[in-house]
Amino acid sequence: DTEVTQTPKHLVMGMTNKKSLKCEQHMGHRAMYWYKQKAKKPPELMFVYSYEKLSINESVPSRFSPECPNSSLLNLHLHALQPEDSALYLCASSQDLRSGANVLTFGAGSRLTVL
Amino acid sequence: GEDVEQSLFLSVREGDSSVINCTYTDSSSTYLYWYKQEPGAGLQLLTYIFSNMDMKQDQRLTVLLNKKDKHLSLRIADTQTGDSAIYFCAESIVYSGYALNFGKGTSLLVTP
Repeated sequence: DTEVTQTPKHLVMGMTNKKSLKCEQHMGHRAMYWYKQKAKKPPELMFVYSYEKLSINESVPSRFSPECPNSSLLNLHLHALQPEDSALYLCASSQDLRSGANVLTFGAGSRLTVL
Repeated sequence: GEDVEQSLFLSVREGDSSVINCTYTDSSSTYLYWYKQEPGAGLQLLTYIFSNMDMKQDQRLTVLLNKKDKHLSLRIADTQTGDSAIYFCAESIVYSGYALNFGKGTSLLVTP
């Protein structure tokens, strides 16, 4: 299995809702990432997990809450989002954090619309 | 992260070569990457190059690296309509645990 699977593919939520995005990989990768991508923009790093511990938080607002329940799963819990949070949320994984080639494998993304 | 610069748009005819340019920021980056993103999809790794190399060839793809000028380019030979996509260069950022910092992306349009 060489894929990163993200669910749901599309999500529409109101500003008072609580929802979660899910990401799964079975490649034995020990680093997992959340990126946010707005239309016609590059992906922006949000969080990095290494060996199931949060390694990097790029000053992301607390209405986004990541969770790594085990080495194969990564969740992003969403609460009280704003319309400007509407974006494509990309999950990625890599073998581990390393100074060598850190090749990220991306999922297809979850497209989030906040009304 | 700081801005990784790319030209935003490139249009070529089918069968021609495409050259996409990138200027990166972190001189300590040991690896540099090229990713492709098709509409509505995630990012797909095309190739990467070690900073001690100045060229890497992989089938139709040729990567050139000028480390002194922090300039990276991707040449696609015999460009096909299926190559139409957005191409991102990326650098590893040491202070972000070697996560990737992406350029703004170059939208490549291949016309018949």
